[in-house]
Amino acid sequence: AQSVTQLDSHVSVSEGTPVLLRCNYSSSYSPSLFWYVQHPNKGLQLLLKYTSAATLVKGINGFEAEFKKSETSFHLTKPSAHMSDAAEYFCVVSERISSASKIIFGSGTRLSIRP
Amino acid sequence: DTEVTQTPKHLVMGMTNKKSLKCEQHMGHRAMYWYKQKAKKPPELMFVYSYEKLSINESVPSRFSPECPNSSLLNLHLHALQPEDSALYLCASSPYVTPDGTDTQYFGPGTRLTVL
Repeated sequence: AQSVTQLDSHVSVSEGTPVLLRCNYSSSYSPSLFWYVQHPNKGLQLLLKYTSAATLVKGINGFEAEFKKSETSFHLTKPSAHMSDAAEYFCVVSERISSASKIIFGSGTRLSIRP
Repeated sequence: DTEVTQTPKHLVMGMTNKKSLKCEQHMGHRAMYWYKQKAKKPPELMFVYSYEKLSINESVPSRFSPECPNSSLLNLHLHALQPEDSALYLCASSPYVTPDGTDTQYFGPGTRLTVL
């Protein structure tokens, strides 16, 4: 079975400084990996997705993630944090179950931005 | 139209009430999903419909009853709920099911349910 582990439950950075949210995955074959963001009392928005086309994936709002097979990692980064980035971030792996796909969520990382 | 809509946004119900949550998408997606999310936790999968047929039921209690009347609409019927069922209920849809599971799910804003 596939799984993802988000290594930090809470990350706090100052506005304008880099963001790093860490995610490790466990999979017996090449995984499909995603990052979603959830702002307070909102649904989930797709930030980016990795499907083996390229190891460096660029997403929306300046976020990007790098797939590293040797480290089984898929960390999310952004060069300069903005106050609007404060939210909950979920690392997700997808697997095929019968005739549907099932996504498995990490436990989430809450990102706080200090003025 | 590139979004998943959910109604109502908020719902308060008693333990003896019967209510329904509605989810709609007009993107031509063929898979639809219900998730339950408790505070400060990740979403938990409840049901998956693929091509309008129930394909996954994650051992959800029978007081939750899903229905997929057509490819654009997904309902969740609620009856005799418990206070611990209070949560954010999220609907999602995806375009198709690829053999390697690379399908992307698009989420609605959710229905905040409170059971008294």
